[in-house]
Amino acid sequence: GENVEQHPSTLSVQEGDSAVIKCTYSDSASNYFPWYKQELGKRPQLIIDIRSNVGEKKDQRIAVTLNKTAKHFSLHITETQPEDSAVYFCAALAPDSWGKLQFGAGTQVVVTP
Amino acid sequence: ETGVTQTPRHLVMGMTNKKSLKCEQHLGHNAMYWYKQSAKKPLELMFVYSLEERVENNSVPSRFSPECPNSSHLFLHLHTLQPEDSALYLCASSPGQGAVIGELFFGEGSRLTVL
Repeated sequence: GENVEQHPSTLSVQEGDSAVIKCTYSDSASNYFPWYKQELGKRPQLIIDIRSNVGEKKDQRIAVTLNKTAKHFSLHITETQPEDSAVYFCAALAPDSWGKLQFGAGTQVVVTP
Repeated sequence: ETGVTQTPRHLVMGMTNKKSLKCEQHLGHNAMYWYKQSAKKPLELMFVYSLEERVENNSVPSRFSPECPNSSHLFLHLHTLQPEDSALYLCASSPGQGAVIGELFFGEGSRLTVL
């Protein structure tokens, strides 16, 4: 089955700097890669996703890149703000897995003013 | 406000107790899920239901028993749990199913502590 590795496990950045979180996956058939943000005590919420037919997707200050050959994808947050502090989870979905999203272990991002 | 509601939000139970977690979604989605969230570990999928039929069971111990009476409600029945079962249990729903699930909408979770 699919296996997703996520790094780093914690990330501290100064407000205004960029943050990058990287994930690798094992199943080359995986074709859907969402990112979820979970603030302290809150539910995980989708912030951006990418499908395997594109290499990059942007939404304001966040972007995701996908390298299918290397089987890794990354989340980029620019101009970080204190409200970006949260745990971020990457995930991958293989087409034959029947909705079984495989999540990474999460990255705790702390943005310091 | 939320499309997916879970009750109770907190539950403390002894190892011999029987309790149930409830999830309700008001989004008209076709698929519902139970996930287990433990500290510093990936979200673990426990069960997937599509149109009330269970389609995925990730080798979850039988002390966890799901029930999906209709497409809007999902239960997780708990019996003779172990302390290591203490975790946040998240319910989710999605508009799609199978290979095209779309976005997962999570509930706030039920924090379970097993003494």
